[in-house]
Amino acid sequence: DSGVTQTPKHLITATGQRVTLRCSPRSGDLSVYWYQQSLDQGLQFLIQYYNGEERAKGNILERFSAQQFPDLHSELNLSSLELGDSALYFCASSAAKGGGLLSTGELFFGEGSRLTVL
Amino acid sequence: GDSVTQMEGPVTLSEEAFLTINCTYTATGYPSLFWYVQYPGEGLQLLLKATKADDKGSNKGFEATYRKETTSFHLEKGSVQVSDSAVYFCALTLGGNNRLAFGKGNQVVVIP
Repeated sequence: DSGVTQTPKHLITATGQRVTLRCSPRSGDLSVYWYQQSLDQGLQFLIQYYNGEERAKGNILERFSAQQFPDLHSELNLSSLELGDSALYFCASSAAKGGGLLSTGELFFGEGSRLTVL
Repeated sequence: GDSVTQMEGPVTLSEEAFLTINCTYTATGYPSLFWYVQYPGEGLQLLLKATKADDKGSNKGFEATYRKETTSFHLEKGSVQVSDSAVYFCALTLGGNNRLAFGKGNQVVVIP
């Protein structure tokens, strides 16, 4: 058990809909990362938050958005869903902001939320 | 940009066989290198890491050496078990924000 909790584990929805994925990081971790895992693209970094602020952005579509709340949990919002958005979405957390002595590169991953768009 | 390349295709081998999974990287700086493992139905977890050239990471019988001259970080295990069946991901970070760039992963299936 990594200590990172993601809900829901599975989600089936239709094209055009909007969904919200939730992530609770490990206790004390300030950084949250979202990754998308699909068969053709592999693991793609979407976005990182540190203590409530956006820290880094990757290949995140404009239809997707995320935020991190004061209690450090994070939500990934996916809207106007398309068939190609079907994937496994992982959240990961780490203690460090990144860089410096605290940066170990180790991320702790949740079990993922599997999204199926029909 | 910074990237990681893993050998194509799944790997199927018999128990007690030798395992090698190739990983090469492209980076503008001096990255830290990682192997993560994903067991069925679970999230990724760190297997081993190396932070500078010639470092060897090791864990659970797996080893990988950071080779700057060949920009590689190949994963090896001398005698695999059925319980090693999983997907293995090579990754790198430049430490700027702890963000990891992953390879596409290799499915390893160990048959008894």
